[in-house]
Amino acid sequence: EAQVTQNPRYLITVTGKKLTVTCSQNMNHEYMSWYRQDPGLGLRQIYYSMNVEVTDKGDVPEGYKVSRKEKRNFPLILESPSPNQTSLYFCASSLYGGLNEKLFFGSGTQLSVL
Amino acid sequence: LAKTTQPISMDSYEGQEVNITCSHNNIATNDYITWYQQFPSQGPRFIIQGYKTKVTNEVASLFIPADRKSSTLSLPRVSLSDTAVYYCLVGGNTGGFKTIFGAGTRLFVKA
Repeated sequence: EAQVTQNPRYLITVTGKKLTVTCSQNMNHEYMSWYRQDPGLGLRQIYYSMNVEVTDKGDVPEGYKVSRKEKRNFPLILESPSPNQTSLYFCASSLYGGLNEKLFFGSGTQLSVL
Repeated sequence: LAKTTQPISMDSYEGQEVNITCSHNNIATNDYITWYQQFPSQGPRFIIQGYKTKVTNEVASLFIPADRKSSTLSLPRVSLSDTAVYYCLVGGNTGGFKTIFGAGTRLFVKA
């Protein structure tokens, strides 16, 4: 089954403790992206990747890192999480990244930073 | 990226047809119109995509007038489970690896 898999589904951590949210897709997509969703602010793009070793900032990249060492994986790294990064995070992928393509989303990761 | 405008919210009753309109006045020639559905705490899900005229699938219909400056997502005979947020995205295969989701339209279906 074609899917985007994120882990963990829920994560509670403390300020400053490094964490990684994993994202994997099994559709051989070149494009992958991370979003955060906050009440009243909709979905905001954090980082995206057009292919292996090619990443770029979205609208809200501060405090986040990403890497794309393999086509299927696109982890989101919070080196020193802060409470304002408490949010619902989604990973997504599409074939090449064009807006005329279908975006496939993961189930989400609810992160709480205390 | 074409800027889109949708109503913030809509209410409906079970069994009714719901039409959600999206305005995109600066749509470019190569842009497509895509709609996504999002349930609470879940990722958005692709519903339908079109370029012009009318597109229909098992879930919805998409009506696009000749000038393409707006589009209407039509959900036939909604049920309680159609309560969700619906997003309209407009763009093509160039110039936009960034994606911008607006606030979407929150549809609430009542019994």
